[in-house]
Amino acid sequence: GENVEQHPSTLSVQEGDSAVIKCTYSDSASNYFPWYKQELGKRPQLIIDIRSNVGEKKDQRIAVTLNKTAKHFSLHITETQPEDSAVYFCAAAPYSGGGADGLTFGKGTHLIIQP
Amino acid sequence: EPEVTQTPSHQVTQMGQEVILRCVPISNHLYFYWYRQILGQKVEFLVSFYNNEISEKSEIFDDQFSVERPDGSNFTLKIRSTKLEDSAMYFCASCRAKHYGYTFGSGTRLTVV
Repeated sequence: GENVEQHPSTLSVQEGDSAVIKCTYSDSASNYFPWYKQELGKRPQLIIDIRSNVGEKKDQRIAVTLNKTAKHFSLHITETQPEDSAVYFCAAAPYSGGGADGLTFGKGTHLIIQP
Repeated sequence: EPEVTQTPSHQVTQMGQEVILRCVPISNHLYFYWYRQILGQKVEFLVSFYNNEISEKSEIFDDQFSVERPDGSNFTLKIRSTKLEDSAMYFCASCRAKHYGYTFGSGTRLTVV
C-alpha cells in the first residue's frame, strides 16, 4: 500500500517569512495530493490540492509543487501570519477506477508562526 | 456552506460495548469515508463507501467494524466490541465526485474505558 513521509515534524518561522513542508510517497499509482490544515480539536480542512497532470498550483499565499518522477510534493506558504499556526497534513490517493479510494496521510507538521 | 454532520461529538463507552457513530454527509455527495485519528497522531483511513457498498477498507477495518447507509442520508460506523485502543477521534468525510469537494465532519471523540 501507499506510504507517505512528511518532514519536518515541527517548523517554527518568523511572521512574514515563508514555510515549506515536504512529503514523499511510495505508490506510483497515486495521483491526487491534498493538503489539510488542522487546528487543535478541529476537523482537517482542505487548503489546496494537486492532481498529477500539473506540476504546480497556487492559491494566494499557498502553493503546492509536485514532482512525479521523484515522488515528492511540497507545500509553500508565503508571508506567514499568526493564524497560519496549525498542524498541516499531506495526503496521497490513487485517482483511478470507479471506486472510492481512501487518502493516506503523512504524520503532520506542527507549524508555529513566531510574532 | 454545506457541512458533514457527525453525532455524538463525544462518546464514552465501556470496553466490550457496541457503539454506533453517525454521520450525515452533504446531500449531493456520492462518496463516503470513515477515518480515525488517535490523539496526537496522523489521520488514518478506515473504509470508503460508494454505490451502496464498501469500496475499499484498510487493515484497521477488521470484523469488529461495519458501515451502513440505512436510509440514503445517514452513514454509520459500528464497532461491535470496543477495545481500549479504539479510543480516537473518528471523522466522517464525503465528496461529490471522486476527490472533488472532499469535506470532513467535525468528528466524534470516542473514549473507551
